[in-house]
Amino acid sequence: SYVLTQPPSVSVAPGQTARITCGGNNIGSKSVHWYQQKPGQAPVLVVYDDSDRPSGIPERFSGSNSGNTATLTISRVEAGDEADYYCQVWDSSSDPVVFGGGTKLTVL
Amino acid sequence: QVQLVQSGAEVKKPGASVKVSCKASGYTFTSYGISWVRQAPGQGLEWMGWISAYNGNTNYAQKLQGRVTMTTDTSTSTAYMELRSLRSDDTAVYYCARDREGATDSFDLWGRGTLVTVSS
Repeated sequence: SYVLTQPPSVSVAPGQTARITCGGNNIGSKSVHWYQQKPGQAPVLVVYDDSDRPSGIPERFSGSNSGNTATLTISRVEAGDEADYYCQVWDSSSDPVVFGGGTKLTVL
Repeated sequence: QVQLVQSGAEVKKPGASVKVSCKASGYTFTSYGISWVRQAPGQGLEWMGWISAYNGNTNYAQKLQGRVTMTTDTSTSTAYMELRSLRSDDTAVYYCARDREGATDSFDLWGRGTLVTVSS
């Protein structure tokens, strides 16, 4: 089955840029989706199809995907961005929905 | 208001079954599939399976085959997930999530989750 690898944690100061990576074999050939999950809440889709944003998601959230790495970039990070972030792809294997292990973003 | 409202928390003994409901409102229920995703305490997200609210077709995660059943009731716009032969490692928050509009590979609407605790 397909495996997605994320760093367990990323730390960034307010106002700086956070980059969260998601590694997978030839992930650039897949569509990558990103979810934000704050403590005690359900996940929220923040980026889909590598780089598109659902309505209501700030432009500070962007994504890219190439080769073996997809990246979620959060510009001008705010305290309210502190959360767990999960990447997700659809894979043509027996279990088609695959999530990364999640990355905890800490705003210093 | 577009939302998915899930049933309340459950406490079950090992070997028992649980059935969690997910009631949709604010959109045409049969136009979207529903996936179930669970999250064990302090852990990541695990996809459990998917059901088409249009025709009831299902696709279950391999590790849960034989223990999970997903159904829908279109008359009440409700999706159900039943998990049998519960074990302690089934303790988790169970989410229902709607297919993203125009796609079936991601989720744009989530329920708030149902905590299922399996304990003797």
